[in-house]
Amino acid sequence: NAGVTQTPKFRVLKTGQSMTLLCAQDMNHEYMYWYRQDPGMGLRLIHYSVGEGTTAKGEVPDGYNVSRLKKQNFLLGLESAAPSQTSVYFCASITRTTSTDTQYFGPGTRLTVL
Amino acid sequence: KNQVEQSPQSLIILEGKNCTLQCNYTVSPFSNLRWYKQDTGRGPVSLTIMTFSENTKSNGRYTATLDADTKQSSLHITASQLSDSASYICVVSAWAAGNKLTFGGGTRVLVKP
Repeated sequence: NAGVTQTPKFRVLKTGQSMTLLCAQDMNHEYMYWYRQDPGMGLRLIHYSVGEGTTAKGEVPDGYNVSRLKKQNFLLGLESAAPSQTSVYFCASITRTTSTDTQYFGPGTRLTVL
Repeated sequence: KNQVEQSPQSLIILEGKNCTLQCNYTVSPFSNLRWYKQDTGRGPVSLTIMTFSENTKSNGRYTATLDADTKQSSLHITASQLSDSASYICVVSAWAAGNKLTFGGGTRVLVKP
């Protein structure tokens, strides 16, 4: 049981390049989330999914797209990276059986856009 | 706008001492309040989860309190250890809105020997 894993752990992009971050969970969780964490700020929700095949916008969705083709995977895409997207990205998942379920986070992906 | 504010932003304590972190929130509709510990370079890890009807919850040397009337919570660390050095994040959940979580900015705790 690996929990929540993220790929890659680090990445450096040039402005305008594209990339996809992969989040995988092996706990059969329904809900999955993508957050970004910037210095001095709380985690901010980018997009989330309440089940396979569904996605929804969070607090800061501009410049990002997501897909949840399989229940265990949640992909975050940057079509044209900008320096403002330099951040640490965290994926998280949770079951939906009760509202007090523990939310599990991945180890993070540190992205730098030059 | 839903907000979670934490204080202080950072603090330094000596090993073995106690400390208390504060969290004020304006999230609605309230579902539950969570405290997370985030070590440098790692994802947050859940410490406690409290619903509206719970006033206090403990996890080892960590004790969280909740006053839903005043919309305040605190996290008390007893007999601090060097491994307690981390950021502590207060998070309020609005379950009715897809369990969206509103995160505070965190309190960075440094425990010195």
